Amino acid sequence: EPEVTQTPSHQVTQMGQEVILRCVPISNHLYFYWYRQILGQKVEFLVSFYNNEISEKSEIFDDQFSVERPDGSNFTLKIRSTKLEDSAMYFCASSAELRDRVRRGYGYTFGSGTRLTVV
Amino acid sequence: DAKTTQPPSMDCAEGRAANLPCNHSTISGNEYVYWYRQIHSQGPQYIIHGLKNNETNEMASLIITEDRKSSTLILPHATLRDTAVYYCIVRVGDSGGSNYKLTFGKGTLLTVNP
Repeated sequence: EPEVTQTPSHQVTQMGQEVILRCVPISNHLYFYWYRQILGQKVEFLVSFYNNEISEKSEIFDDQFSVERPDGSNFTLKIRSTKLEDSAMYFCASSAELRDRVRRGYGYTFGSGTRLTVV
Repeated sequence: DAKTTQPPSMDCAEGRAANLPCNHSTISGNEYVYWYRQIHSQGPQYIIHGLKNNETNEMASLIITEDRKSSTLILPHATLRDTAVYYCIVRVGDSGGSNYKLTFGKGTLLTVNP
């Protein structure tokens, strides 16, 4: 079964440093997402991306965050100047064509996540 | 998207059926009920979804009440590997990519005991 791949699995960074989290979505998917989960808390939506632009973002996704699909296969989340409170699991997800999503429901697939620790 | 209410935790004996309830009394006619689970900090995993008919797949069954105000996810023969947080999410099924986010609540921690 196709998978969403995320790298690295763990990342430790110093406060104020930039980090880039990488994701390879499922190859025929067109919609891409980032979520995060602070330890012990809910999974929270950050941003959705379609047709090479952000289609929706949450209040969490401020100017310190950016996303990019640089080469048609990777989907990245950049945090420009990390803060302690950015420590969390970051999950990438992708979903299929609209008609496939409605018909199949399970077209929405999450990766295993990147654990980001800001020290 | 309509709000859902789930018990915070449940226990189940290995090999028995696990029945996880979800209340969604404000569900709209075009909203689907989705179930996802998250095994110990892994990424959420899709289980099943439905609109108004009961649904079954290789993982689980979904029973939706006639008034659609509640549903039950059934794992017919729970195993230790089914220990996870189970999320019931209600949302419009047919939506453009810009609005296809999932809003997770706290879910139900199902613990399957040997």
